[in-house]
Parts: sequence; C-alpha cells; structure tokens
Amino acid sequence: QKEVEQDPGPLSVPEGAIVSLNCTYSNSAFQYFMWYRQYSRKGPELLMYTYSSGNKEDGRFTAQVDKSSKYISLFIRDSQPSDSATYLCAMSGAGNNRKLIWGLGTSLAVNP
Amino acid sequence: NAGVTQTPKFRVLKTGQSMTLLCAQDMNHEYMYWYRQDPGMGLRLIHYSVGEGTTAKGEVPDGYNVSRLKKQNFLLGLESAAPSQTSVYFCASSYQGGDTGELFFGEGSRLTVL
Repeated sequence: QKEVEQDPGPLSVPEGAIVSLNCTYSNSAFQYFMWYRQYSRKGPELLMYTYSSGNKEDGRFTAQVDKSSKYISLFIRDSQPSDSATYLCAMSGAGNNRKLIWGLGTSLAVNP
Repeated sequence: NAGVTQTPKFRVLKTGQSMTLLCAQDMNHEYMYWYRQDPGMGLRLIHYSVGEGTTAKGEVPDGYNVSRLKKQNFLLGLESAAPSQTSVYFCASSYQGGDTGELFFGEGSRLTVL
C-alpha cells in the first residue's frame, strides 16, 4: 500500500461546477499538507498549504484536512477552463518523518 | 525574475551516452532537488542538496550523480544513459525544507534514451 493514494482520474466537469479532489494517506505522523497544480508541460506550482487539521480558503479554492480519517481534499468553486490541470497532493511529517511524499496527481478538465 | 531555469529542455540520447542537466535558481534558496516524473509513478526524488557543497540521495539515485558547487546551481549527471532513464526531469528549490516550505519548480527537461 502506498503512503499516499490519489485517484488519477481523469475528471471532466462543466464550467462552473464544484470540483472535489481527494487524497488518502496511511502515515498518522503527517502534519504538513500541500496541493500543487501542474499545467501540461510545466512544473508543479504550490496552490494550497495546510498545517495539521482544519480548513483553509483562498479565493475559489478550499483545502480541507481530516487527520482522524487520514483524508485531505481540495475544493474548487465556480471552476473555470483555466483550472484544467493535474493536481498533486503532497504531505510530510516532522522530525524523522520530514520526507515529502507525493500523490500521483488527478487530471482535471473543465469544459466550457 | 527567472525563478528556476533548467537546460536543456529536450534531449535525445543513445544508450550508454552521458549528459548533464543544469538547474539554476536566482532566489538564493538553500535547498535544491532533482525529481523525475513518469506516468503512473508520480514525482520521485533522485537527489537533493541542503546547501552549497552538500548533496544527498533521494528515493531513486541509482544511475545519477549530482553536484552543487555553487549555491545557485544544481547539476544532474547521467554517466551511462539507459532507456529506463527516459523521463521528464524537474529541478526544484526551496528556502527551507520542502516539507515545511514551498518548492519552486522549473519547467522540466524531457529526456529520451534510445
């Protein structure tokens, strides 16, 4: 079993839809949770960063962490064609668990 | 503001040839990383550096060597390329460790080994 599981998709939604992207993990020591966005033929860029549990909102994007279920989510409201990309989750712990672990990424297409 | 620049962007090699990928960052970051990204495998860390003159192995270091002679540059070398090294290579840098700080990625170098 991989430490981080992420459904690769592809996920296809109409413009304006609410998108939910998810990752599950097995290591209860993870404390830092990140979402990176990667456009085709580009490098990943950090989208959201969350420490420990709870929600974080930034414009149309909301990151949610449920440590009790070992589950993180990224919600995109009012999705736009420009949101079409691959979304990668990444996470790490502290101390001896500081290694950054990546999900495989979910491919999202937002259709006009 | 260039950020992280990788050269070359594309390269085709024959099995057994050698080459070096160059990564340069202008953000004065201490940490630098080399990843490879393959379909179904995701991002895998090859080598990383926590400062000038230091390097360390990542998850998949075999067949690669690195050097960090200058703080702004991180070189990835393939001494004898193999078809299994066909991949997209990404360099990244961060001010602090990537677990607690943002990684800035280059645009990638696409390598094909025939």
